[in-house]
Amino acid sequence: DAGVTQSPTHLIKTRGQQVTLRCSPKSGHDTVSWYQQALGQGPQFIFQYYEEEERQRGNFPDRFSGHQFPNYSSELNVNALLLGDSALYLCASSLAQGGSPLHFGNGTRLTVT
Amino acid sequence: EDQVTQSPEALRLQEGESSSLNCSYTVSGLRGLFWYRQDPGKGPEFLFTLYSAGEEKEKERLKATLTKKESFLHITAPKPEDSATYLCAVVFSGGYNKLIFGAGTRLAVHP
Repeated sequence: DAGVTQSPTHLIKTRGQQVTLRCSPKSGHDTVSWYQQALGQGPQFIFQYYEEEERQRGNFPDRFSGHQFPNYSSELNVNALLLGDSALYLCASSLAQGGSPLHFGNGTRLTVT
Repeated sequence: EDQVTQSPEALRLQEGESSSLNCSYTVSGLRGLFWYRQDPGKGPEFLFTLYSAGEEKEKERLKATLTKKESFLHITAPKPEDSATYLCAVVFSGGYNKLIFGAGTRLAVHP
């Protein structure tokens, strides 16, 4: 049973560029959430997708956008990259009902130079 | 403001030396409290969900408990392979599955 898979594992971008990160959820899960984790910190909620719509959003600027496809996979897009966007980006999948445990992928390490 | 605080920030134990990690929270209408383990360069690995005060869950050397204000992760007779960062997170009513994480406790178990 495949868990949550993310690609790529590592990425280096230049300030001002745009990046797209991809996520395939755990089999049977229909909800995908994205988190940003800075070094030494807990993950911070970016947004959540359910039924191909953004259901909830954290305190992140509009430069962060996403998409969910009919097969439940998801993309995270970040425009106009800043040095401060360097972090581990985690995708998590779950069932739709509140309180269901989230299962995380191993993340994409983004470095902005 | 909804908040999760974990203590201590770091903990060093000798193999076999039992201890507890703390997670205190201030949220309106707790829907669930989650414990995760995170190894360096990896994503968080789900350990436990606790839903109501008084609930307890166990897995091998780990036991999680929940009160109305905090949760404890008890580690009994730890081994070096238990070394990791342990993260606590909460979901509140109306928050769907939005997890609010603490900063974690870095545990190092030495032989």
